[in-house]
Amino acid sequence: AQSVTQLDSQVPVFEEAPVELRCNYSSSVSVYLFWYVQYPNQGLQLLLKYLSGSTLVKGINGFEAEFNKSQTSFHLRKPSVHISDTAEYFCAVSDSFTSGTYKYIFGTGTRLKVLA
Amino acid sequence: EAGVAQSPRYKIIEKRQSVAFWCNPISGHATLYWYQQILGQGPKLLIQFQNNGVVDDSQLPKDRFSAERLKGVDSTLKIQPAKLEDSAVYLCASSLLRVTEAFFGQGTRLTVV
Repeated sequence: AQSVTQLDSQVPVFEEAPVELRCNYSSSVSVYLFWYVQYPNQGLQLLLKYLSGSTLVKGINGFEAEFNKSQTSFHLRKPSVHISDTAEYFCAVSDSFTSGTYKYIFGTGTRLKVLA
Repeated sequence: EAGVAQSPRYKIIEKRQSVAFWCNPISGHATLYWYQQILGQGPKLLIQFQNNGVVDDSQLPKDRFSAERLKGVDSTLKIQPAKLEDSAVYLCASSLLRVTEAFFGQGTRLTVV
């Protein structure tokens, strides 16, 4: 079964500094990878996804992630964070069913706290 | 386009009581998911529907949890009887068939006391 590991439960960073949130997944023949953001008392919003092609994926709000097959990683990065980026970030991997639907398996999340 | 709607937003019940959550997915989305998110953890899939059929309910505690999706649109998740460990946020999500992106509702925060 697929699994996702987010080693950092909390990441404090000063405003305008760069940040990297780490994500590793269990290996599979093919994977689809995602990063979601969750603001307090809100649902999850898709930041970006990797399906195939270029290993560097750009998402919303200036975030990007790099798929590294040899290291089974999909780390999220932002070159300069803002206070408004303070939120919980979840990495997810999907399994596909023959029915054409997808199931998402989430990591435990990383709380990003941007400090003024 | 309207998003995934969930109600209620918050619910407090006593243990052994029953509770129901409602979800209205985005119009046209064939796939509907219910996730349980316990504080400090990632969302855990409880049940997944394609139209009104169940695709996966392997992690649904069937002795107390039930879900249905009548007519392949709205869905209801029920807990009866509730336990303290059921305190969590229950998230509903939906997606188009053969499209990877799922859209999430704001969730229902359940507190069992």
